Amino acid sequence: DGGITQSPKYLFRKEGQNVTLSCEQNLNHDAMYWYRQDPGQGLRLIYYSQIVNDFQKGDIAEGYSVSREKKESFPLTVTSAQKNPTAFYLCASRGEVASGEKETQYFGPGTRLLVL
Amino acid sequence: AQKITQTQPGMFVQEKEAVTLDCTYDTSDQSYGLFWYKQPSSGEMIFLIYQGSYDEQNATEGRYSLNFQKARKSANLVISASQLGDSAMYFCAMSPFFLRSSNTGKLIFGQGTTLQVKP
Repeated sequence: DGGITQSPKYLFRKEGQNVTLSCEQNLNHDAMYWYRQDPGQGLRLIYYSQIVNDFQKGDIAEGYSVSREKKESFPLTVTSAQKNPTAFYLCASRGEVASGEKETQYFGPGTRLLVL
Repeated sequence: AQKITQTQPGMFVQEKEAVTLDCTYDTSDQSYGLFWYKQPSSGEMIFLIYQGSYDEQNATEGRYSLNFQKARKSANLVISASQLGDSAMYFCAMSPFFLRSSNTGKLIFGQGTTLQVKP
């Protein structure tokens, strides 16, 4: 089945530790996105990538890093510089933009990150 | 600045009745896309419906329809014949600079509306 997978489902981080969240898609989508969701809030964009080996900062990139070495993978690292990392993290992907074509982002199931 | 506003933090509806979830947006661009997503308690974001700014007709997908009023910058979601499984959080989102080469596909989300369907 085509889709987006995220792992792990739950992740615990100790103070000063870097952790990496996995996002994989087999939809052959070019663009991928990472969002953060705090309780009772909407989603905010952390990083996005429109093509392999290229990525851009979103609205809240400080304390996070990403890589895009393969089309199907877009891992997110939450570094020790992110002082308030407890949140729900959602990965999404989107197909190639074409004039007149709908472009919908499809989301993975998410990872809940908790700080110990 | 682009912004999405959902003014209803929580809504109740009786099973089998229709409900309207409000969404207003702010953008200076003429080309944009509007989306609605459903987020059940499990956390996954489920795509429901899409409306392009140049679409003449209101979008419909099964029990979901989007009441698009461009002059008022509103894109309300109408759910007909509510079911218990419709209880969830609903997000309105916008993709600015739609259908243009500068489009990055970024989505701007509202704060969401929690819908509870009563039996």
